[in-house]
Amino acid sequence: KQEVTQIPAALSVPEGENLVLNCSFTDSAIYNLQWFRQDPGKGLTSLLLIQSSQREQTSGRLNASLDKSSGRSTLYIAASQPGDSATYLCAVRSSNTGKLIFGQGTTLQVKP
Amino acid sequence: DVKVTQSSRYLVKRTGEKVFLECVQDMDHENMFWYRQDPGLGLRLIYFSYDVKMKEKGDIPEGYSVSREKKERFSLILESASTNQTSMYLCASSTTGDLTEAFFGQGTRLTVV
Repeated sequence: KQEVTQIPAALSVPEGENLVLNCSFTDSAIYNLQWFRQDPGKGLTSLLLIQSSQREQTSGRLNASLDKSSGRSTLYIAASQPGDSATYLCAVRSSNTGKLIFGQGTTLQVKP
Repeated sequence: DVKVTQSSRYLVKRTGEKVFLECVQDMDHENMFWYRQDPGLGLRLIYFSYDVKMKEKGDIPEGYSVSREKKERFSLILESASTNQTSMYLCASSTTGDLTEAFFGQGTRLTVV
């Protein structure tokens, strides 16, 4: 059974810092991995999608990497801002079952 | 712009009521998902559907059923609502395969009293 783990569960940093969020998964049979952002009480917003054949994707200050063989992904946020404060979730799409399985998220606070 | 719309933002229902949560997508996606999200437990998959009239159980299907009569609409049904079904419910849709980016609705906060 696919399991997705995110470390750390919570993170607090001063504005301007670069930071890395980690995601690991147990089964490498995936179509892709997706990173989401969730603001309190809201739905999920897609940030980046990495296909299983790709190593990384970039969007603005965000860079996500994928090492499928080791079951790891990282989300790198450059020059963090208070507006980046949110919960970040990673999810893998199983190529065996089609299910989209989530980690429990990392709650980020960026202090001005 | 892609869009997944959930019928209600907030809902309050009584114990024992039959509750319908509706989700509509306008992207002609084959796959649709229902999750519930609870503090400390993350997002847990209830059911998903990979085509019209097709469904698969997720990790926590007990107490729920689903209906997908049309491609764009996926309904979650609580047959007899209970207080432990108080939660945030999230609907998502996606295409099939490697390029399958998932898009989420805004969520429905259901309270069962």
